[in-house]
This record gives sequence, structure tokens and C-alpha cells, in this order.
Amino acid sequence: RKEVEQDPGPFNVPEGATVAFNCTYSNSASQSFFWYRQDCRKEPKLLMSVYSSGNEDGRFTAQLNRASQYISLLIRDSKLSDSATYLCVVSYSSASKIIFGSGTRLSIRP
Amino acid sequence: ETGVTQSPTHLIKTRGQQVTLRCSSQSGHNTVSWYQQALGQGPQFIFQYYREEENGRGNFPPRFSGLQFPNYSSELNVNALELDDSALYLCASSLDMGGTSYEQYFGPGTRLTVT
Repeated sequence: RKEVEQDPGPFNVPEGATVAFNCTYSNSASQSFFWYRQDCRKEPKLLMSVYSSGNEDGRFTAQLNRASQYISLLIRDSKLSDSATYLCVVSYSSASKIIFGSGTRLSIRP
Repeated sequence: ETGVTQSPTHLIKTRGQQVTLRCSSQSGHNTVSWYQQALGQGPQFIFQYYREEENGRGNFPPRFSGLQFPNYSSELNVNALELDDSALYLCASSLDMGGTSYEQYFGPGTRLTVT
């Protein structure tokens, strides 16, 4: 079993739709969680950190569920420019390990 | 732009050769992490340098080594290149305080092809 797992997709949704991804992690000692987006042949860019209480940034909402060991990303009112691969990241307190998921591909259609 | 730069952009090497990749971190950041990303995969953590010392390592063999300099720039060295080393190599800088992992900012990467 992979330490961090994501549904690879692709998710193909119409513009304006709401879409959600989950990311599960296996190590309960994980302490820091992030979502990144990566456009084709570009570097990953930080989208948002994920806090225990959940956090929102505009159309994006991130949640952490420690009991079930997953994080989620919700995108509301999706735009064409949201088309990308979304990577979840889990790291441990010692920073000795930083694990990326394989990514979920999202395609927004007009 | 993140302010993280990497050189070279592209590189072609022959199996068995050695390569050095360079990364200049964002101003004010003290930590650099290196990743290998194969096509269609997420980045794989190679190692991290904090204050010029290796601070963590992923599942990569010893022929992958690195350095961090006093100005927090960094190098990734790979010896005895293998065909499977062909990938995008990313560095990411962050400001870490006492071992807590903060947000990372990535450079554009170096695309290495081993023939």
C-alpha cells in the first residue's frame, strides 16, 4: 500500500461545477499537509496548507480528517484555469520524509 | 515566480556518467529539498538539506548525494547514471524552524535524459 494515495482521475467536469478530491495517508504520525497544483510540464505550485480546523481560500476549501487519515480539497464554481493535476503532500514532524501523492488530474470543460 | 532557480534547464548524459544539478533557493529560506519526478508520477523525495546538513532522505541509493552552501544554495550529484535516472529533478526551498515542515516553493526543474 502506498503511503499517500490519490485517485488519479481524470475528473472531467463542466465549468461552474463543484468538484472534490480526497487523499489518504497511512502514517498516523504525519503532521503537515498541503495541496499543490501542477500544470503540464511545469513545477508544482503551492495551492494551500491544510490545517486541522479546515481552511478556505476563495473557491478552495481544504479539510483534514485525522481519525480516518485523509485530506480533501473542494473546488467550487470551477474555472477552465483550474484544469491541472492536484498533488497532496504529507510530511512528518522531523521533516525526514515528505511524501507526494501521484496526483489527481482535473479537466474543466466549457 | 517563486524566486527559486535551477540550472541547467535540460541535460543529456550517457549511462555511467556523473551529473551535478544546481538550485538557488528563495531569499530568506534555509532549507532545500530535492525531488525526482518521472512522467505521470508525483515527485519522489530524494533528500533535504537544512543549515548545510542532510536533514532527511527518501529511498534513493548513495550515488545520489548533495550539498548545501552557506548561502543556502544547493547541489544534487548523481554518480554512475542509469537509464532510469531520466526524469525531471525539482528543488524546493522552504523556511523551516526547528524541524517543522513549512510550505515549499519549487524551481522550474532540470530535465535529465540518460541515454
